[in-house]
Amino acid sequence: SQQGEEDPQALSIQEGENATMNCSYKTSINNLQWYRQNSGRGLVHLILIRSNEREKHSGRLRVTLDTSKKSSSLLITASRAADTASYFCATDEAGNTPLVFGKGTRLSVIA
Amino acid sequence: NAGVMQNPRHLVRRRGQEARLRCSPMKGHSHVYWYRQLPEEGLKFMVYLQKENIIDESGMPKERFSAEFPKEGPSILRIQQVVRGDSAAYFCASSPGSRAGHYEQYFGPGTRLTVT
Repeated sequence: SQQGEEDPQALSIQEGENATMNCSYKTSINNLQWYRQNSGRGLVHLILIRSNEREKHSGRLRVTLDTSKKSSSLLITASRAADTASYFCATDEAGNTPLVFGKGTRLSVIA
Repeated sequence: NAGVMQNPRHLVRRRGQEARLRCSPMKGHSHVYWYRQLPEEGLKFMVYLQKENIIDESGMPKERFSAEFPKEGPSILRIQQVVRGDSAAYFCASSPGSRAGHYEQYFGPGTRLTVT
């Protein structure tokens, strides 16, 4: 079955810098979602981008989707220490299938 | 509107005992998903349920694991005769929609199961 794969596995940046995380997947999808997980906590939904959309914004978050390359990126601008977390992409194959999560990118924002 | 609730938050069981994990979805949500997460890993889908129905259990181990979502009360994930390899964080999520991937999912805080 397909799987979202995040890249890089870990990322460490200074506060105020931008953070970019990438996700690649293998098959056709209905949509792609990004989630955040703080250490020891549940996941929090960030953005859902549908297969017919190319870019979506939410506050300091910008998500792009390139279905021809089967990839997505999550950009966090002007990062803050509170952005420190693991970020996961999740995809569903075209149809009615469960979400498939990647292993995540661990982001550390240093104050 | 309370979020997804899971209890207990932490559960310790000896090998061979049973573990029962509970999940109450968000108000108005009738779709529940269970996931398992090992350290440093992503979430692995286990089972998708609607009220009184199992829709997709393709991620559930064939033995010892079962799930239900009764008409009244929370969803239950039950693990019989636990083994050390069952130690993980188990997350429940709920959504309002009828198609598994079309809607964002709201996650509970998880139950951390430790098997000694």
